[in-house]
Amino acid sequence: DSGVTQTPKHLITATGQRVTLRCSPRSGDLSVYWYQQSLDQGLQFLIHYYNGEERAKGNILERFSAQQFPDLHSELNLSSLELGDSALYFCASSVGEDDTQYFGPGTRLTVL
Amino acid sequence: AQSVTQPDIHITVSEGASLELRCNYSYGATPYLFWYVQSPGQGLQLLLKYFSGDTLVQGIKGFEAEFKRSQSSFNLRKPSVHWSDAAEYFCAVSKAAGNKLTFGGGTRVLVKP
Repeated sequence: DSGVTQTPKHLITATGQRVTLRCSPRSGDLSVYWYQQSLDQGLQFLIHYYNGEERAKGNILERFSAQQFPDLHSELNLSSLELGDSALYFCASSVGEDDTQYFGPGTRLTVL
Repeated sequence: AQSVTQPDIHITVSEGASLELRCNYSYGATPYLFWYVQSPGQGLQLLLKYFSGDTLVQGIKGFEAEFKRSQSSFNLRKPSVHWSDAAEYFCAVSKAAGNKLTFGGGTRVLVKP
């Protein structure tokens, strides 16, 4: 157990809908990262927050957004969902901006 | 841009045999290198990492990896595989420890009894 928690574990929804994935980092960690794991794209970096501020963006679609709250938990919002958004979404956390990332168990999103 | 190649998609190994998983990276400077393991239905667990210093790195679960700059490789090894090592293994690279990770495509390891 890495200490990173993600909810929900599974999410099934329909095309066009909007969902919110939640991540709680390890105690004391200030950085949160989001990654997407899909069959065709593999594991891809989406976005990084440090202490509430966005630090880096990867291949994140405009339909997706994220934020990190004052209590350091983070949410990833996915809207206008398409079939191709079906994937495993991982959150990772690290102590600072230059530390090893530890991953949560992931949220499996299925879009029907 | 950095990239990672794991040439073997699947590897089947007998329990008790040795295992070596290949990883080649492309990056202009000295990279930060990682190996993660993903068991079925689980998240990614860090096995080991290389930042600098000794090029032979020891990790958890009896794994080790060797950084070879001349070959742009960071291969993972285990002398004797256990059935519980059946999983998918990912090599990753970043510019610094806290930077985004770029992952290889993964190698799925099957362990035969």
